[in-house]
Amino acid sequence: EPEVTQTPSHQVTQMGQEVILRCVPISNHLYFYWYRQILGQKVEFLVSFYNNEISEKSEIFDDQFSVERPDGSNFTLKIRSTKLEDSAMYFCASSEQYFGPGTRLTVT
Amino acid sequence: ILNVEQSPQSLHVQEGDSTNFTCSFPSSNFYALHWYRWETAKSPEALFVMTLNGDEKKKGRISATLNTKEGYSYLYIKGSQPEDSATYLCAFRFTSYGKLTFGQGTILTVHP
Repeated sequence: EPEVTQTPSHQVTQMGQEVILRCVPISNHLYFYWYRQILGQKVEFLVSFYNNEISEKSEIFDDQFSVERPDGSNFTLKIRSTKLEDSAMYFCASSEQYFGPGTRLTVT
Repeated sequence: ILNVEQSPQSLHVQEGDSTNFTCSFPSSNFYALHWYRWETAKSPEALFVMTLNGDEKKKGRISATLNTKEGYSYLYIKGSQPEDSATYLCAFRFTSYGKLTFGQGTILTVHP
């Protein structure tokens, strides 16, 4: 059974610091996504990525966020200057069927 | 603004009980409705993808139905077991490979 992996499982950072969340999606998939869930809220869409480009992004995905697939395997989400309200569980998905286990980001 | 709602928010049942939850979604611009099971500290697991009005899908003791005209889907679990305890999420999609819009989930606890 193919699986999506994410690292780290938990990241604690100080407000204003940059974080990079990493995902290894399923190798022959073409569409990749980042979602997040703030505690007590719905899972919400951040960005989708196809053919090495962003195909859709939400209002949340502002200039502080970026994604890339630097080496054809890893798929990363960078937050340049974290805010307290960025604290959430971040999920990577490979197509719409396969989700990673998530990275819990805590901004203090 | 797309709104996907699930009910109930949480549910406690006894082992052996059958149960069902509801997902409501916009009835216009429908492409697909997904159901996931999410256990704590694990990846959300895809259960069903439903695309056609009247679809019924089954996987073991779990089944789902879809009504796109009125905008709802039901998930049924027959003979609940403690290992069925999880959060059940539905998500709506209005284009192929488009973003998923999630409901808030139903937390199911099955007591032995």
